[in-house]
Amino acid sequence: DQQVKQNSPSLSVQEGRISILNCDYTNSMFDYFLWYKKYPAEGPTFLISISSIKDKNEDGRFTVFLNKSAKHLSLHIVPSQPGDSAVYFCAARKTGANNLFFGTGTRLTVIP
Amino acid sequence: GAVVSQHPSWVICKSGTSVKIECRSLDFQATTMFWYRQFPKQSLMLMATSNEGSKATYEQGVEKDKFLINHASLTLSTLTVTSAHPEDSSFYICSAKLGGTGSELQYFGPGTRLTVT
Repeated sequence: DQQVKQNSPSLSVQEGRISILNCDYTNSMFDYFLWYKKYPAEGPTFLISISSIKDKNEDGRFTVFLNKSAKHLSLHIVPSQPGDSAVYFCAARKTGANNLFFGTGTRLTVIP
Repeated sequence: GAVVSQHPSWVICKSGTSVKIECRSLDFQATTMFWYRQFPKQSLMLMATSNEGSKATYEQGVEKDKFLINHASLTLSTLTVTSAHPEDSSFYICSAKLGGTGSELQYFGPGTRLTVT
């Protein structure tokens, strides 16, 4: 049962424009959400996170929005750069738990 | 930043043999390490949580006698796929956690591609 879903397997965006990556979850017990970025032949690297007590967290060009009622979060990258081209994974965690539940990933391609 | 390595990066083995994959935290001590598996076009799925000096905790549906996990030191965890079969072919990735329980930071290794022929 896929508790974290990323319904768009791929996304292409022009350099300088905004990239919006979406993620949905089904388990209301999740209270912490993370985005990871993964380049080929490398492990995922942590990008940004958000606690369920917030609805927005910003770090430079990256902003994560959380809509708890819709069980939906999104990652905004603006402006998008070619170096942002990678696979982005959304992940979620329950309170006090160690394990993360991952989405299937969205491959972002930023076109120069 | 924290670095996690895995060895080997890829391995091909014959059906019925066993394969060991190592996960090392290079510049920090990790009391907890995690083993994930990813099939093509699917998400990373947690297989087990490995705590240094104690038995691993396996997720539902993961055979502990088939996937042996040993976390003998604070910088090394190993996953042994015993009597491997073609359906075990997958991408295995480990992560190591900094901090205490509830810390969200997991640092991932680059993964190991296992192909069983």
